[in-house]
Amino acid sequence: DGGITQSPKYLFRKEGQNVTLSCEQNLNHDAMYWYRQDPGQGLRLIYYSQIVNDFQKGDIAEGYSVSREKKESFPLTVTSAQKNPTAFYLCASSRRTADEAFFGQGTRLTVV
Amino acid sequence: AQSVSQHNHHVILSEAASLELGCNYSYGGTVNLFWYVQYPGQHLQLLLKYFSGDPLVKGIKGFEAEFIKSKFSFNLRKPSVQWSDTAEYFCAVHPLLGKLIFGQGTTLQVKP
Repeated sequence: DGGITQSPKYLFRKEGQNVTLSCEQNLNHDAMYWYRQDPGQGLRLIYYSQIVNDFQKGDIAEGYSVSREKKESFPLTVTSAQKNPTAFYLCASSRRTADEAFFGQGTRLTVV
Repeated sequence: AQSVSQHNHHVILSEAASLELGCNYSYGGTVNLFWYVQYPGQHLQLLLKYFSGDPLVKGIKGFEAEFIKSKFSFNLRKPSVQWSDTAEYFCAVHPLLGKLIFGQGTTLQVKP
């Protein structure tokens, strides 16, 4: 089955710890994205990558980091510098920039 | 800066009522436009998209949207809603050389 896999589905983290969210796609898509979804705020773009070994900051990149070493993988690290990390995180990919995006099931991160 | 605005945050309708959800964007160049839907407990999926051509586009489940370039708008419509249309709806804009940006979302509740 082709698609986007995010893991884990639920994640708990203690304050001060970094945590990495996984996103893998087997759609052979060039572009990948990370969004944060909070109630009433829609989806806000954290980082995006249009091609392997390249990525750009989105609107709320502070406290987050990414890498794109392989076409199929785009992990997101939520660092201790992120002041309000508890949220629902969505990963997406598109065949190329500006095409329709396909979304994973999301990871709900809770900082305790 | 690029932005997307959805006028209605929460809409409540009775079954068979007509639906129109407003979406405006700010960007001066060429854009691709999307409406996504998130049913309860499910991942985001594409409802319809506009890249070029006929400004009236049809999507899944009887939804349609009209692109009015002069108004920077891409409103979503459905003549007769069903209870199963209860979901959150997101308008999104992707400039050809920019990033995929979403609106705040509209929660639609359809009463049987």
